Amino acid sequence: DTGVSQNPRHKITKRGQNVTFRCDPISEHNRLYWYRQTLGQGPEFLTYFQNEAQLEKSRLLSDRFSAERPKGSFSTLEIQRTEQGDSAMYLCASSLGRGSYNEQFFGPGTRLTVL
Amino acid sequence: AQSVTQPDIHITVSEGASLELRCNYSYGATPYLFWYVQSPGQGLQLLLKYFSGDTLVQGIKGFEAEFKRSQSSFNLRKPSVHWSDAAEYFCAVGAPNNNDMRFGAGTRLTVKP
Repeated sequence: DTGVSQNPRHKITKRGQNVTFRCDPISEHNRLYWYRQTLGQGPEFLTYFQNEAQLEKSRLLSDRFSAERPKGSFSTLEIQRTEQGDSAMYLCASSLGRGSYNEQFFGPGTRLTVL
Repeated sequence: AQSVTQPDIHITVSEGASLELRCNYSYGATPYLFWYVQSPGQGLQLLLKYFSGDTLVQGIKGFEAEFKRSQSSFNLRKPSVHWSDAAEYFCAVGAPNNNDMRFGAGTRLTVKP
């Protein structure tokens, strides 16, 4: 299966620790998106990459969050000094093309619990 | 910026009955509109999308949606629901001038036998 994969699927951490998530998009997809989804809500856009360039960041992405896509392939999302409010499902999606109307293919997500 | 509202948090229908899930959007021009489905433990899957042309859009799994500009709506319909359709459904709106796709809060569909 060549869908979007995310690792780990679950992460439990203590407040103040740093965590890093990985997303492997569909191989030929040039765009990669990160979203956050809390219980009872829809996904909220965090950031997106066009190849290796991070082109847009949401106001939700505080300075404790950083994302990279070093070679235009996989991406990592790091949260420093985690807070309980960071507990959520972090979703990655990828798409092919330049327009925002192109279908985004989503991974299964990484569920973060901050104790 | 664009926004989307799904007025129904939870809907229950009987298997074989028809279904309509509501979605209202806010955007100054013609938006890009999407319906996604999320099953437990699964990633979101695109059911259908609209960005121009025929306002009645056919999707996968027998779903369709109609774009009504006058009502700022993009309701999802299915003539006969199957038990496997039980899931969370999300309406989303995008725009030509940005890549910030906004999702609604979702409607959880329960299917009664």
